[in-house]
Amino acid sequence: TQLLEQSPQFLSIQEGENLTVYCNSSSVFSSLQWYRQEPGEGPVLLVTVVTGGEVKKLKRLTFQFGDARKDSSLHITAAQPGDTGLYLCAGVRASGSRLTFGEGTQLTVNP
Amino acid sequence: DAGVTQSPTHLIKTRGQQVTLRCSPKSGHDTVSWYQQALGQGPQFIFQYYEEEERQRGNFPDRFSGHQFPNYSSELNVNALLLGDSALYLCASSLGQRLAGENIQYFGAGTRLSVL
Repeated sequence: TQLLEQSPQFLSIQEGENLTVYCNSSSVFSSLQWYRQEPGEGPVLLVTVVTGGEVKKLKRLTFQFGDARKDSSLHITAAQPGDTGLYLCAGVRASGSRLTFGEGTQLTVNP
Repeated sequence: DAGVTQSPTHLIKTRGQQVTLRCSPKSGHDTVSWYQQALGQGPQFIFQYYEEEERQRGNFPDRFSGHQFPNYSSELNVNALLLGDSALYLCASSLGQRLAGENIQYFGAGTRLSVL
């Protein structure tokens, strides 16, 4: 059973376009994290959102945590080829607990 | 300051064999978690070690076992390997006593295990 559903699974866009990746669950999480993973590497943390309704911005990336803390979205503005990678959302239930990952969104930004 | 290091980077085994993977956590971290990432999927939690004990375990059979040493490094052992065990095995380190928003796990580059 996949507790976190990510969509879309694959996304191929042109440089300069905007995109949104969604992460949905029927479960409540204490926090939700977004990672980016490149081939041959481990996931690298981009952001952690903790409060329902929270919005965080990281340059061209905007992250939002749903009011009920069951879902999140990642919006990228004016995508660049360097944004190419596997984007993973991961939920945390309690302090020091496991990360529950979604299946990931493979993003390809073509020049 | 070294990050999380894993060894070996690649490994090829045959069905039925046993394998040991190693992980050194980021300096100052005391908690190690292991994840299995099949091709094209997100990582799946195997177990977590803190103070040399298994603190949490995911839905993996007893063939998967681990150990944490006094210096916080860790090993993942898999017995009686199956073809389906082929995956990228990731180690992540963190600080054990943290609030949910501060539970930042740093990942190593992983060990790619192929079972033939």
